[in-house]
This record gives sequence, structure tokens and C-alpha cells, in this order.
Amino acid sequence: QKEVEQNSGPLSVPEGAIASLNCTYSDRGSQSFFWYRQYSGKSPELIMFIYSNGDKEDGRFTAQLNKASQYVSLLIRDSQPSDSATYLCAVTGTDKLIFGTGTRLQVFP
Amino acid sequence: EAEVAQSPRYKITEKSQAVAFWCDPISGHATLYWYRQILGQGPELLVQFQDESVVDDSQLPKDRFSAERLKGVDSTLKIQPAELGDSAMYLCASSPRNTEAFFGQGTRLTVV
Repeated sequence: QKEVEQNSGPLSVPEGAIASLNCTYSDRGSQSFFWYRQYSGKSPELIMFIYSNGDKEDGRFTAQLNKASQYVSLLIRDSQPSDSATYLCAVTGTDKLIFGTGTRLQVFP
Repeated sequence: EAEVAQSPRYKITEKSQAVAFWCDPISGHATLYWYRQILGQGPELLVQFQDESVVDDSQLPKDRFSAERLKGVDSTLKIQPAELGDSAMYLCASSPRNTEAFFGQGTRLTVV
């Protein structure tokens, strides 16, 4: 079992819709959870982090964490074509920052 | 705005040659990571430093890769000899202390 798992996609949503990206992790001791956005050919850019169970909102982005289910998600409201990118979930477990393989999001006009 | 600096941005090398990458983390960041990312995959952790000490290098191919962070500031990752399968993006990231990590622009390595 991979330590951090994501559906590779692509996830296609129309402009203005809500995009929902999901991630599961295997280490129950994980403490910190991150979402990165990566455009093609570029390096990952941190967009959200969450440490406690529940929801955390920042603009159009909402991160959701459920430690009991070992599940973290990212919601993007009012999706824009500029949101088209690969979204990487990352988790700190035993002091290492481990990434999933990423979900490719495509927002079409 | 503080940034993680990496050089070079692009490197083409012949197989069996040596290659080195440099990273200067954000000032004051104790944790430094080197990742390798193959196209279509997520970043794979190669080595993690806490100050000048290696915290994890379990995925570093030690027969050909080496990494150092001598004064706990900047870091160098070396490959010798390079193989065709080493072609990838090499990413450096830094973090205040095991919290959110910030990436440099990366080095795109092509081994021919």
C-alpha cells in the first residue's frame, strides 16, 4: 500500500463548478497535511495546509481533514481554467514529507 | 519575498558523467529536502536534512548519489556516474521545521 494515495485523474469539470480532490494516507500518526498545485513543467506551489480535523477555508479553496478515516480532500469552488493543473497531496509522517502521485484537474470553458 | 534558489535550471549530461545540483533554502529554514520527480509521478523524497544532519536518506541510491549540507545552510546533491534513468526534475524544498515546505524552481536533468 502506498503511503499517500490519490486518483490520478484527469478530473474534468466545467468552469464555475466545484472540483473535489481526494487523498488517503496510511500512517495514522501523520500530523500535517498539505495541498500543492503544480503546473506542467513547474515546481509545486503550496496552496493549503491543515493540521486539525474539520474544514479550513481560504478563498475559493477548502481543505477537509478526517483523521479517523485517514482522508483529506480539497474543494475548489467556482473553478477557473487557470486552476487546470496537477494537485499534489502531501503528508508528514515520522518527520518525512511524503507526496501522492497527484490528480490532474482540467477545467473547461 | 524569500525563495528557495536552485541551480542550474537545466542540465544535459552524458551517461557516466558526474553532475551536481545546488540549493540555497529560505533563510532560517532548518529542514531541507531533495526530491526527484519523474514525469507523471509525484515527488519522491531522496534525502532530508535537519540543519546539517541527515534525517532520512532511505531512498537515496547511495552507490551513485550523495548529498551534503555542511554548514546547515545550502546543500549540494551529486550524481556520479549519471545513468539514463536519472533523467528527471530534481526539486529542493525548505521548511522552518517539519512544517509547510516551499520549493525552488527545480533542475531539469537530461542524461543522454
